[in-house]
Amino acid sequence: AQSVAQPEDQVNVAEGNPLTVKCTYSVSGNPYLFWYVQYPNRGLQFLLKYITGDNLVKGSYGFEAEFNKSQTSFHLKKPSALVSDSALYFCAVREGSNDYKLSFGAGTTVTVRA
Amino acid sequence: EAQVTQNPRYLITVTGKKLTVTCSQNMNHEYMSWYRQDPGLGLRQIYYSMNVEVTDKGDVPEGYKVSRKEKRNFPLILESPSPNQTSLYFCASSLSTTNTEAFFGQGTRLTVV
Repeated sequence: AQSVAQPEDQVNVAEGNPLTVKCTYSVSGNPYLFWYVQYPNRGLQFLLKYITGDNLVKGSYGFEAEFNKSQTSFHLKKPSALVSDSALYFCAVREGSNDYKLSFGAGTTVTVRA
Repeated sequence: EAQVTQNPRYLITVTGKKLTVTCSQNMNHEYMSWYRQDPGLGLRQIYYSMNVEVTDKGDVPEGYKVSRKEKRNFPLILESPSPNQTSLYFCASSLSTTNTEAFFGQGTRLTVV
């Protein structure tokens, strides 16, 4: 069975500081990993994904994530956070190429203070 | 514009009164699914559909039904809603390739009293 853990319920950072949102996963095969963001009263928006290849993937709004197979992690990062990055972030995993099901973490609320 | 449309956005109903939440996508996606979002639990899959007339249970299917008579539509049916089904519901669709991202609707906030 596949699963995702987001160990931090909340992350608070000052505007201009680096932002990191942590994610670890568990799958029996090759992982396909995704990050989504949810703004208040909105649906989930896709940020970026790792399927194969370069371990560092870049996505929307200046976000990037690093896939680490040995640590089974896929942390989301942004070098300089903006107040507008305040939102709820979800990490999700699919198990390889044979399963369409997305398993989500519990979510991390990011607050960027001015 | 490519989108997944859910209706209604907000719904308050009483226990036992049947309701349907509609979901429609305009991207010709084969795969569609329903999730519920509860605080501290993330999103949990209720039902999914691989294509027309092909549906299957997700992680939390009890109390829900779905149908897929047309490729674009995937309604969620609560035949006898109960208060523990009060939640935020999302419909999602994607191509039938596992390396593509899912597109989500705006959500339906359901309250059962």
